[in-house]
Amino acid sequence: GESVGLHLPTLSVQEGDNSIINCAYSNSASDYFIWYKQESGKGPQFIIDIRSNMDKRQGQRVTVLLNKTVKHLSLQIAATQPGDSAVYFCAEKLQAGTALIFGKGTTLSVSS
Amino acid sequence: GAVVSQHPSWVICKSGTSVKIECRSLDFQATTMFWYRQFPKQSLMLMATSNEGSKATYEQGVEKDKFLINHASLTLSTLTVTSAHPEDSSFYICSVAPRRNEQFFGPGTRLTVL
Repeated sequence: GESVGLHLPTLSVQEGDNSIINCAYSNSASDYFIWYKQESGKGPQFIIDIRSNMDKRQGQRVTVLLNKTVKHLSLQIAATQPGDSAVYFCAEKLQAGTALIFGKGTTLSVSS
Repeated sequence: GAVVSQHPSWVICKSGTSVKIECRSLDFQATTMFWYRQFPKQSLMLMATSNEGSKATYEQGVEKDKFLINHASLTLSTLTVTSAHPEDSSFYICSVAPRRNEQFFGPGTRLTVL
C-alpha cells in the first residue's frame, strides 16, 4: 500500500552542523505534511507543517521543503544542537480524512 | 497547541489481565481522539479513532473486542486492553486534533505484559 517512508534510518552530525532529514511519500492525494520529533519514551512533538500548495516553509531553525514532482519532503535543521537528538518522523494526511500516516523515522544523533 | 495527558505513564501487568489507559485533553474539548501504538524502533500505527458519544472506528487488523475504547466526555477517552498478552506490550499514544490539520500527542503509556 501507499505509505510515507524515510531514506535513512540514522543520521549522525556534529554540533553546529546543518542537518537534512529526508522523506519520500507515494500518495499524490496527500495535501498536508507534518514533521514530528520524538524523544525516547515520549510522545511525538510537532515541529513544522506544510500544505501541498506550498514548496517551502520556515520556522525557528527549521525549514521544510516539499517537492511534489518527485513526492519528496525534507526537514532542514540549522546549527544542530545536542538537544535536537531524537527520532524524526514525517507524516502525511490525505485529503479525505484526518488520520495521519507516519513514516518510519530517522534517528538523529548530535555529538558535541 | 493542545495539551494532552495520559495515565498511567507506564504499567506492568500479568498475562490475561486487563489494563485501562486514560487520555485527557486538558485545554480543548475533543470530539475526536486518536489512539496509536508504537513498537520498539518502529513508527506510530493508528489503531482507532475515538468519537465522543459514539462507537470508535477501528483500523483494519485491530480487534475491537480486545482494545475497548470509551469516549464518554469531551475531555476523556479510555483504551482498555483486555486479556493482555506479551505481544500487546507496546507504547500506546493518544492524540487530539483541535483543528482539521493539527494533531497533538500525549506523552504515551508504556505497557509491559509479563
